[in-house]
Amino acid sequence: QVQLQESGPGLVKPSGTLSLTCAVSGGSINSTNWWSWVRQPPGKGLEWIGEIYHSGSTSYNPSLKSRVTISVDKSKNQFSLKLSSVTAADTAVYFCARDFRRGGYYYMDVWGKGTTVTVSS
Amino acid sequence: EIVLTQSPGTLSLSPGERATLSCRASQSVSSNYLVWYQQKPGQAPRLLIYGASSRATGIPDRFSGSGSGTDFTLTISRLEPEDFAVYYCQQYGSSPYTFGQGTKLEIK
Repeated sequence: QVQLQESGPGLVKPSGTLSLTCAVSGGSINSTNWWSWVRQPPGKGLEWIGEIYHSGSTSYNPSLKSRVTISVDKSKNQFSLKLSSVTAADTAVYFCARDFRRGGYYYMDVWGKGTTVTVSS
Repeated sequence: EIVLTQSPGTLSLSPGERATLSCRASQSVSSNYLVWYQQKPGQAPRLLIYGASSRATGIPDRFSGSGSGTDFTLTISRLEPEDFAVYYCQQYGSSPYTFGQGTKLEIK
């Protein structure tokens, strides 16, 4: 079965760029799914960041769009998140998830365990 | 942007009781695009219900979803100890794919 694993630095300096990767195992990133990033600030709710298809098509949350880039590396079966000009407000647990779309239904059915990113000097 | 408002913010119940959680959308959402997740501390969200009323694989039948348009409900018929968690609704009707703020289900 498909599994997802986030990786990347746990500490990023203010004004720097947060970079995370999500490795897909047990399945192909070329499948008919989209792949999403979701974050959760400490003690708060979930926020959808954006998504990517294996073709490279993307969709971003307008609240973050100017700072977000999501890319895919099919050769490594992984996708990545870059968030620029970070502030303390970007401190959160970052999850990657499979965005399942079939039969007219959309949902996130496979999630990584999440990785904590702290923005601090 | 579609805003999802969940109520109550916190629900205090005892094992064996029935839980009813509400998710109200600021504009109509197709039932196909309304999803419920469960999240326990330190864990990723877990898919419970998709299409407003279809249980995900492996989800016990004490969990049920209903609703249409702007009003959706998650019902847990008889609470088990492992059901105490935070529940989120999410809509895929239009981007950005927003989540509700969550309902915390706690043991009374």
